[in-house]
Amino acid sequence: KAGVTQTPRYLIKTRGQQVTLSCSPISGHRSVSWYQQTPGQGLQFLFEYFSETQRNKGNFPGRFSGRQFSNSRSEMNVSTLELGDSALYLCASSLDSYNEQFFGPGTRLTVL
Amino acid sequence: ILNVEQSPQSLHVQEGDSTNFTCSFPSSNFYALHWYRWETAKSPEALFVMTLNGDEKKKGRISATLNTKEGYSYLYIKGSQPEDSATYLCALPNQAGTALIFGKGTTLSVSS
Repeated sequence: KAGVTQTPRYLIKTRGQQVTLSCSPISGHRSVSWYQQTPGQGLQFLFEYFSETQRNKGNFPGRFSGRQFSNSRSEMNVSTLELGDSALYLCASSLDSYNEQFFGPGTRLTVL
Repeated sequence: ILNVEQSPQSLHVQEGDSTNFTCSFPSSNFYALHWYRWETAKSPEALFVMTLNGDEKKKGRISATLNTKEGYSYLYIKGSQPEDSATYLCALPNQAGTALIFGKGTTLSVSS
């Protein structure tokens, strides 16, 4: 069974640009969650999608958005990048968000 | 907002030592508790998902207990090995079951 994949693995952007990250879940998993991890912080919840619907969003500004497609693949977008957006972005898939989550390798975003 | 607390923040032990850490959470509206292990340069991996008060789970030298009435879970590692070095994360679903909220983790370092 293929695991969760994320692309790209590394990104370097400059302030003001926008970025799109992609996540392909494990086949059969309909829930995809996104997390941000910065030094000194734990995994901070960004949002969760289930069957193409965003069911929950964490405490992040509107510059952070996402979507889920009918095949459960998900994208997240960050517009007008700020230096503080530099982080590791992880996605995780599961049967539902309260089940065991399977994490992708992450996308390391650096904003210069 | 669900508050998940983990202690200690970090821990350094010698090979062969046994150790334990704590995850604290609000005891009301409990649904499930997850433990994850996050090794450097890898993705977080689930260790246990616990749902019942008094639950005890074991995987090799690692075990966990759960007390939902008082709102805590312990993770134990018996005879720590250098390969146990990782950050151990505790997480609980929010009340709606639409997000998994993580604590900041306990980082364990085991010296040989």
